[in-house]
Amino acid sequence: DAGVIQSPRHEVTEMGQEVTLRCKPISGHDYLFWYRQTMMRGLELLIYFNNNVPIDDSGMPEDRFSAKMPNASFSTLKIQPSEPRDSAVYFCASSGGQRGTQYFGPGTRLLVL
Amino acid sequence: RKEVEQDPGPFNVPEGATVAFNCTYSNSASQSFFWYRQDCRKEPKLLMSVYSSGNEDGRFTAQLNRASQYISLLIRDSKLSDSATYLCVVNGGSSNTGKLIFGQGTTLQVKP
Repeated sequence: DAGVIQSPRHEVTEMGQEVTLRCKPISGHDYLFWYRQTMMRGLELLIYFNNNVPIDDSGMPEDRFSAKMPNASFSTLKIQPSEPRDSAVYFCASSGGQRGTQYFGPGTRLLVL
Repeated sequence: RKEVEQDPGPFNVPEGATVAFNCTYSNSASQSFFWYRQDCRKEPKLLMSVYSSGNEDGRFTAQLNRASQYISLLIRDSKLSDSATYLCVVNGGSSNTGKLIFGQGTTLQVKP
């Protein structure tokens, strides 16, 4: 099994630019989660989907952030426009079932200058 | 108050030592509890689930005290390879069991 796949692994961009992070969950998993990790705030849940439908987006920081899951094998997290305070590691995770173990992807390290 | 609180450490221990980490959580409706491990610049990975009766996996023992809303992890005979950050994790309550809340993590450094 390939595990959760994320791209890009690293992203450096300038303030004001649009950033799109991508995630391919483990095949057969029906839950997908987007997290953000920083030294100051730790690991925070941004949004999660069940069967491609957003269930809880209360962790999305503001309107600049949006997430989609057009099908069971692909999700995107978009930041537009990006700001330096968005610099963090963004993880995608998936699980089979609501109480299933969450498997994390390798993360995308985002630096906004 | 944070929903899940841990002592960030770092805990510096010699090989072979026994070390214990503690964690408290605020949502009494939480039903699922876990310890995750995160190596430097890597993703978190499930170490073990925590059951009400306590459970053991090799050198690792997890305990849950629902009344005190307290979770612990004990590592016996520490190895160099145990050096990592240990994240205490609880689910978001009975109405939101798909959501996991992560503590800030406790850093362990095992030295030769």
